[in-house]
Amino acid sequence: GNSVTQMEGPVTLSEEAFLTINCTYTATGYPSLFWYVQYPGEGLQLLLKATKADDKGSNKGFEATYRKETTSFHLEKGSVQVSDSAVYFCALSDGGGGFKTIFGAGTRLFVKA
Amino acid sequence: DAGITQSPRYKITETGRQVTLMCHQTWSHSYMFWYRQDLGHGLRLIYYSAAADITDKGEVPDGYVVSRSKTENFPLTLESATRSQTSVYFCASSEGAKNIQYFGAGTRLSVL
Repeated sequence: GNSVTQMEGPVTLSEEAFLTINCTYTATGYPSLFWYVQYPGEGLQLLLKATKADDKGSNKGFEATYRKETTSFHLEKGSVQVSDSAVYFCALSDGGGGFKTIFGAGTRLFVKA
Repeated sequence: DAGITQSPRYKITETGRQVTLMCHQTWSHSYMFWYRQDLGHGLRLIYYSAAADITDKGEVPDGYVVSRSKTENFPLTLESATRSQTSVYFCASSEGAKNIQYFGAGTRLSVL
């Protein structure tokens, strides 16, 4: 079945460091891929998405490219801020006629000033 | 207020009691979902609903009951709470099955 695997956390970085959070997926068909972010005490909210191979999603300085050949959707940001401290979830939505969104386990990011 | 709201935000109960968590959305989204979030497990789908009066089981439905008599409401009931149901519960809604999901702020439930 479909699945999402993302790197375990926590990830601790200093402010202005480069961020990469790895995400790989297994899916049949052509899923849409998402990154959601969860700030402390809040629900998840969409950060970015990509709906087909080679699409790049971007928002708030974060980027991720849908790589079908490597079944990956890694999240990157060139210069993180303390306010980026949160839990990041990679997710896929079944493109084969199903409906469910499969979420990865989440990666907690701490950014130090 | 527009959006998706959950109540209560925090709940403490005892084993064996019935508990209902409420979820209300103002967008008239067709799809609604209930997840639980536990350390080491990420988000797991409990139940979902494609429309009013249409519900179906997710990954971990045992011990939970849902109903959806109106499009905007999707309550989740724990019929006889157990300690293993201590968790943070999130409700979400979506315009379509494969579209973006919008989450409530969550309900933190402790079963003593």
